[in-house]
Amino acid sequence: DQQVKQNSPSLSVQEGRISILNCDYTNSMFDYFLWYKKYPAEGPTFLISISSIKDKNEDGRFTVFLNKSAKHLSLHIVPSQPGDSAVYFCAASRNTNAGKSTFGDGTTLTVKP
Amino acid sequence: ETGVTQSPTHLIKTRGQQVTLRCSSQSGHNTVSWYQQALGQGPQFIFQYYREEENGRGNFPPRFSGLQVPNYSSELNVNALELDDSALYLCASSTRLAGSTDTQYFGPGTRLTVL
Repeated sequence: DQQVKQNSPSLSVQEGRISILNCDYTNSMFDYFLWYKKYPAEGPTFLISISSIKDKNEDGRFTVFLNKSAKHLSLHIVPSQPGDSAVYFCAASRNTNAGKSTFGDGTTLTVKP
Repeated sequence: ETGVTQSPTHLIKTRGQQVTLRCSSQSGHNTVSWYQQALGQGPQFIFQYYREEENGRGNFPPRFSGLQVPNYSSELNVNALELDDSALYLCASSTRLAGSTDTQYFGPGTRLTVL
């Protein structure tokens, strides 16, 4: 039973356009959600997070939206840049302990120049 | 401030053998978590150590064990290796403070191949 799902294995967008990555979860006990970016041969790098008490968190070009009733979150990247090309993982945890996160299987984002 | 390092980078073992993977946490961090990432999948939580004590475990059998030492280095030990243990093993360190969220910093991982 996969509790965090990223249903799109890949996404391709044009440079300058918006990238929207989606994530669904099933466990209503999750209260902290994170996005990580991973380049080949490197570990995941923290990108942005959101607590369940919020529905939006913004950091520069990155915005995460949380819809608790739908158990859905999304990451928006505006504008997309070629350097954003990477695998993006959605993760969820309980009691704000990011160190015990449940991860999705990732979405490979390709930003074309 | 040094980052999270892991050793070795790559490792090849045969079925039934034992392996020890090592992680050096980022300076000042008191928590380390280990994850297994199979090909094409996301990282899967194995266990977490907080101030040298196990602080939670994922759905992994007892042959996966670990420890954290006072200088916040950590080890992951896997006994009786199986073919399905072939994966990228990631460690992540963070600082847990009561009532606050923490940011995990991942190492580059150890690629384990079991033949």
